[in-house]
Amino acid sequence: EPEVTQTPSHQVTQMGQEVILRCVPISNHLYFYWYRQILGQKVEFLVSFYNNEISEKSEIFDDQFSVERPDGSNFTLKIRSTKLEDSAMYFCASQGQSSYEQYFGPGTRLTVT
Amino acid sequence: GESVGLHLPTLSVQEGDNSIINCAYSNSASDYFIWYKQESGKGPQFIIDIRSNMDKRQGQRVTVLLNKTVKHLSLQIAATQPGDSAVYFCAENIGRTGGFKTIFGAGTRLFVKA
Repeated sequence: EPEVTQTPSHQVTQMGQEVILRCVPISNHLYFYWYRQILGQKVEFLVSFYNNEISEKSEIFDDQFSVERPDGSNFTLKIRSTKLEDSAMYFCASQGQSSYEQYFGPGTRLTVT
Repeated sequence: GESVGLHLPTLSVQEGDNSIINCAYSNSASDYFIWYKQESGKGPQFIIDIRSNMDKRQGQRVTVLLNKTVKHLSLQIAATQPGDSAVYFCAENIGRTGGFKTIFGAGTRLFVKA
């Protein structure tokens, strides 16, 4: 069964550094999402992406965040200058055209020290 | 405003009993609701969804009920099994063109006692 994959599974970075989290969505999906989940808390929407542009974004997704689909396969989330409070699990999800069901990846745990 | 929340943070049930997980939402413009299951160390997994023009939808062992009058959503799990132990989130989708903005509730942790 097709699945969403994410790399790395765990990223440790120092405050102020840039990080790029990578996702490979299901191949024929058209809609892509990033979420984050601080430990023990609810899943928070960051951004949705369709047709090579952002569709929706939350208040969390400020100018420190950006997304890109560089090669038609990968979908990346970049945080330009990480802060301690960016430490969380980051989930990527993708959605096909015929259904509203989003398929989530296993997540990347980001630890900012 | 946009908020989706849950009445109870934890629910403990005996194996074989039915479970009911509740959720309140506040955005009356939302027309699509989803229940997700999240097991420890994994991403959310779609369970069942419902459109706002319906008040009930059934899946395999799960039923979602939607009461738009009081903005209430519930997930019923029949014959709860140990494998159902997880955190359950309700969510609502906002937006119609391109990708959605999906707002998750706070989550309810379901414990199934053998």
